[in-house]
Amino acid sequence: AQSVTQPDIHITVSEGASLELRCNYSYGATPYLFWYVQSPGQGLQLLLKYFSGDTLVQGIKGFEAEFKRSQSSFNLRKPSVHWSDAAEYFCAVGVPYGGATNKLIFGTGTLLAVQP
Amino acid sequence: GAVVSQHPSRVICKSGTSVKIECRSLDFQATTMFWYRQFPKQSLMLMATSNEGSKATYEQGVEKDKFLINHASLTLSTLTVTSAHPEDSSFYICSARAGTINTDTQYFGPGTRLTVL
Repeated sequence: AQSVTQPDIHITVSEGASLELRCNYSYGATPYLFWYVQSPGQGLQLLLKYFSGDTLVQGIKGFEAEFKRSQSSFNLRKPSVHWSDAAEYFCAVGVPYGGATNKLIFGTGTLLAVQP
Repeated sequence: GAVVSQHPSRVICKSGTSVKIECRSLDFQATTMFWYRQFPKQSLMLMATSNEGSKATYEQGVEKDKFLINHASLTLSTLTVTSAHPEDSSFYICSARAGTINTDTQYFGPGTRLTVL
């Protein structure tokens, strides 16, 4: 069965420090992978996505993620964290769901806190 | 582009009443919309998928008579929680698949906080 694992429930980093959020997936075929960010009480905003091609993808707000097939991972990174990055981050894998639609399977999320 | 709105953003109702939540794609046509439920400090769980003009497909364990979904147009889907009970209190989020912008990306609404007293 398809699944997404985010091993870190909660991470605290200092402002200006680098960040890496881990994501591992379980899916038999080539996955469609996504990272979303959710601020308190808000919906999800797409940060970046991987469908094919270059395994290092750039997203909004200075985020990037690298797809590593051998490790079944799609870790999210940012070289220098800003206080406004404090939020919850969700990794998701898109799986076929009838026709051309993909169903998103979400990880349990990583809550990021940023210290001044 | 690719903006999805939800209305209302927050609703409080009495047990036994029905509540309707609207999900609209504002600047694109959404052939498929998704409804999710999110419990506090947990991930999003897909409830159902709706295609314009056809019946919704519900995930296992989701009561279709409890959560009525209508996708009447390419820009509007509604979720009606019928005879709501306190255990239905949750954060409901919709998303829309942009059929012409990118067939594999879902754009999410801001969510609706439902509290059933």
